[in-house]
Amino acid sequence: RKEVEQDPGPFNVPEGATVAFNCTYSNSASQSFFWYRQDCRKEPKLLMSVYSSGNEDGRFTAQLNRASQYISLLIRDSKLSDSATYLCVVNMNSGGGADGLTFGKGTHLIIQP
Amino acid sequence: EAGVAQSPRYKIIEKRQSVAFWCNPISGHATLYWYQQILGQGPKLLIQFQNNGVVDDSQLPKDRFSAERLKGVDSTLKIQPAKLEDSAVYLCASSSQLNTEAFFGQGTRLTVV
Repeated sequence: RKEVEQDPGPFNVPEGATVAFNCTYSNSASQSFFWYRQDCRKEPKLLMSVYSSGNEDGRFTAQLNRASQYISLLIRDSKLSDSATYLCVVNMNSGGGADGLTFGKGTHLIIQP
Repeated sequence: EAGVAQSPRYKIIEKRQSVAFWCNPISGHATLYWYQQILGQGPKLLIQFQNNGVVDDSQLPKDRFSAERLKGVDSTLKIQPAKLEDSAVYLCASSSQLNTEAFFGQGTRLTVV
């Protein structure tokens, strides 16, 4: 089965620092990419979609490298409230309808005061 | 806009018993997913519907799990008989189109004892 791989961490980062996560995917035909955030005992929530040209939303920047088949998430000026698990999600569907939104195992981030 | 509704929130059953979970997706969303999330792991896709048709059920343990979405709206996921390793959070998600960003319900936390 096609896979999405993430470094599980945990990443222990001081407040105010910059932290970056990478995620690799196996299906070169994948079309859609997302980062989700999941707090403890809560459901995953969409953080941002990832576009080919890269995109930014406040302190968060996502980039896609199709040639190397990885996506990244950069968090600047980290806040205590950024502590969560960050899930990389890839649409593995290459048009045939199978292997839909596939999640990585998540990267656990802990922001320390 | 109302989100994805799931019930029950919690369920405790004995092994070999049966259990059913219910999901009502966001109004107008054609795609519905059921995911299983075991503690410490990312969500694993069990089944994906497009309207009332199954798009992907390759990771659904069909000897004990079944799911339906008869009228293309609500969906139920059933486990019969349950095993200890089925203890997990069962997440329902929906999206407006196949494999675009998905929105999750709060999940059903199942404990099999």
